[in-house]
Amino acid sequence: ILNVEQSPQSLHVQEGDSTNFTCSFPSSNFYALHWYRWETAKSPEALFVMTLNGDEKKKGRISATLNTKEGYSYLYIKGSQPEDSATYLCAYYTDKLIFGTGTRLQVFP
Amino acid sequence: NAGVMQNPRHLVRRRGQEARLRCSPMKGHSHVYWYRQLPEEGLKFMVYLQKENIIDESGMPKERFSAEFPKEGPSILRIQQVVRGDSAAYFCASSPLGPGQGNTEAFFGQGTRLTVV
Repeated sequence: ILNVEQSPQSLHVQEGDSTNFTCSFPSSNFYALHWYRWETAKSPEALFVMTLNGDEKKKGRISATLNTKEGYSYLYIKGSQPEDSATYLCAYYTDKLIFGTGTRLQVFP
Repeated sequence: NAGVMQNPRHLVRRRGQEARLRCSPMKGHSHVYWYRQLPEEGLKFMVYLQKENIIDESGMPKERFSAEFPKEGPSILRIQQVVRGDSAAYFCASSPLGPGQGNTEAFFGQGTRLTVV
């Protein structure tokens, strides 16, 4: 059974705070690690696809790192804004795409 | 290029009826995944299909559930003799490439919310 774990389950921060969350995944048979952003009443949208150990990717105020040897990835949001409120999902891509249960972020003005 | 289209968006079925959920992948995408989201849970993998082939159905219940992705037309997730526990949101995603062929994101539909009464 492939387990993708995300922590914390939920997070409440003030506007302007920086935050980060973790995704843990099996380190064997690794192809890629995906991060998705899922807003309420919408469908998940990809943020990053990461493949190489040590990868770092950035999109605006959001960045992610990848450690395939120890099986974890971090997602960072700098200066959180209310519009960042969403569930952030990571997915481990082996012979199929397996999702974690997500981190629900709420940013209060 | 239209996104992944799922229909219907909402489906109500009585216990014992059949539910058919449709997913039209993005143009040029031959890989389709189905996921189920139960209340307060994440996306649980159900099945991975390529055109005319089921690649991995390890997440699908053994009975009453089936999926297909024919050469022409949408992918169909079929649930026979629905029970209340089948009530959930069902999402499909498509991608142009599979594992090991390149690493591209999956594109999601907006889901079908099935309610069994």
